[in-house]
Amino acid sequence: KQEVTQIPAALSVPEGENLVLNCSFTDSAIYNLQWFRQDPGKGLTSLLLIQSSQREQTSGRLNASLDKSSGRSTLYIAASQPGDSATYLCATRGGAQKLVFGQGTRLTINP
Amino acid sequence: NAGVTQTPKFQVLKTGQSMTLQCAQDMNHEYMSWYRQDPGMGLRLIHYSVGAGITDQGEVPNGYNVSRSTTEDFPLRLLSAAPSQTSVYFCASTKSGGGDTGELFFGEGSRLTVL
Repeated sequence: KQEVTQIPAALSVPEGENLVLNCSFTDSAIYNLQWFRQDPGKGLTSLLLIQSSQREQTSGRLNASLDKSSGRSTLYIAASQPGDSATYLCATRGGAQKLVFGQGTRLTINP
Repeated sequence: NAGVTQTPKFQVLKTGQSMTLQCAQDMNHEYMSWYRQDPGMGLRLIHYSVGAGITDQGEVPNGYNVSRSTTEDFPLRLLSAAPSQTSVYFCASTKSGGGDTGELFFGEGSRLTVL
């Protein structure tokens, strides 16, 4: 059974810093890994999708990497802004179309 | 383009009552799913569907029923609500099943309280 872990559960950094969020998973037989953002009281917004054959994806200030062999993915946020404050979740997609989510990292960017 | 639409956004039920959470998508996605999100438990899959007429159970299916009569709609039914079903429910869809590696799109959520 796939298990997805995100550490730390919460992170607070000053504005302008570059930061890395971590996601680890136990079963490397995945189709893809997706990073989401969730604002309080809202749904999940897709940030980046990395296919199993890819090593990384970039969108603006965000860069996500995938290392299936080690069961790890990272989300790199450059030049953080207060508007980046949210909970970030990763999810792996495996057999039978089931996504398994991590519990998320709550990120706070302090002005 | 509305994406994934869930109704109602908020609902309060009494124990034993029944209700249906509605989910509709206008992206012609074949795959639709329901999740519940609880503090400390993360998002857990309730039921999913890979196309009209096809549904299957996820991780926490007990107490919930689904059907998929059209590509667009995937309602979630609570037959006899229990306090343990107090949660935030999310509907999600993606292009297709069968190993497709499509991006998952979520609705805004339905917040259910069972007294």
